Amino acid sequence: DGGITQSPKYLFRKEGQNVTLSCEQNLNHDAMYWYRQDPGQGLRLIYYSQIVNDFQKGDIAEGYSVSREKKESFPLTVTSAQKNPTAFYLCASSIGIAQWRDTIYFGEGSWLTVV
Amino acid sequence: KNEVEQSPQNLTAQEGEFITINCSYSVGISALHWLQQHPGGGIVSLFMLSSGKKKHGRLIATINIQEKHSSLHITASHPRDSAVYICAVTSGGGADGLTFGKGTHLIIQP
Repeated sequence: DGGITQSPKYLFRKEGQNVTLSCEQNLNHDAMYWYRQDPGQGLRLIYYSQIVNDFQKGDIAEGYSVSREKKESFPLTVTSAQKNPTAFYLCASSIGIAQWRDTIYFGEGSWLTVV
Repeated sequence: KNEVEQSPQNLTAQEGEFITINCSYSVGISALHWLQQHPGGGIVSLFMLSSGKKKHGRLIATINIQEKHSSLHITASHPRDSAVYICAVTSGGGADGLTFGKGTHLIIQP
């Protein structure tokens, strides 16, 4: 079955550590996204990528980094510079970035807690 | 940037009831998405619409472009419909064009 796989589901990070969240898709989609979800707030875009080796900052990119070396993979690194990293992180993909036309598919999400 | 408001924020109903969730937005859009977030956290796309009405099983989504309003209806609701329902809108453009509502938390009691 095609879909998006995120790992790990739950992750604990100590202050000052970088952590990387994995996102893999086998839908052959060009576009991939990372969103952050906080309680009582709508999803906010961290980074997105339209094509391999290209990515763009979203609304809340500070303290995060990404790479897109392969079409299927779009890992997100939460760096120590991110002041408030505890949140739920969702990876998504779509055929293209025309969100007025292309259905967006989401992964199951990753819970990150800073301890 | 578009502002998306959903109502109600929380809704508890009995099994079999007809459910309506509303979404209003402030700026004209190209498309509106209805998403379902199940208790585990994953999100599924239910509908994407730019005009009129769409139906899938017991779910119906409508949009009124002039009034900048959309509704999601669930007929013959069932406990498995319990989830958070999220409205998202886009005015076109690229991947940074989606604006999400805060979601409606629906609980259907048996």
